[in-house]
Amino acid sequence: DQQVKQNSPSLSVQEGRISILNCDYTNSMFDYFLWYKKYPAEGPTFLISISSIKDKNEDGRFTVFLNKSAKHLSLHIVPSQPGDSAVYFCAASLRDDKIIFGKGTRLHILP
Amino acid sequence: NAGVTQTPKFQVLKTGQSMTLQCAQDMNHNSMYWYRQDPGMGLRLIYYSASEGTTDKGEVPNGYNVSRLNKREFSLRLESAAPSQTSVYFCASRWGGLEPQHFGDGTRLSIL
Repeated sequence: DQQVKQNSPSLSVQEGRISILNCDYTNSMFDYFLWYKKYPAEGPTFLISISSIKDKNEDGRFTVFLNKSAKHLSLHIVPSQPGDSAVYFCAASLRDDKIIFGKGTRLHILP
Repeated sequence: NAGVTQTPKFQVLKTGQSMTLQCAQDMNHNSMYWYRQDPGMGLRLIYYSASEGTTDKGEVPNGYNVSRLNKREFSLRLESAAPSQTSVYFCASRWGGLEPQHFGDGTRLSIL
């Protein structure tokens, strides 16, 4: 059973607009959430994270929102740039160090 | 500053052959992980090691074994390779707690 779900396989956004990527989870024991970005033929790179005790974390153009009651988090990218075209993975961590990833969302930034 | 190093980068095996994928990190991280990435399946956790001397199963451990040789190295072994194990394998490490993982560039494994 999938514990971390990214239900949109792909998303296309105009350059300069806001990109919103969504992630749902089922296990209420997750205490730390992360977003990674992945380019082809490379390993994933860390983007931004949020602890379960917070509801928002911001880093430059990237903001992550956490809604614990809905078991939902989202990544906002504003403004979207061509270099943001990549696959984005949502991940969640348990206290025993186990980290589970979603299936990813491919983001296309259109010129 | 190498970070997480995986060897080999590419490998082709025949069904039934054995193979060990190597991973080493130079960041003094406590935790290490092995994932596989398949089209449409995202990154699935195979095994992880929260500290030197401990290993635990992830989501898809069947057909694999791991060894945490020391704090730096975490190897993944396929004893009898099967075509279903054709995948890209990623190793990652992190301090633990609320720290993110750092990933290697992957090993592309094909089993014929």
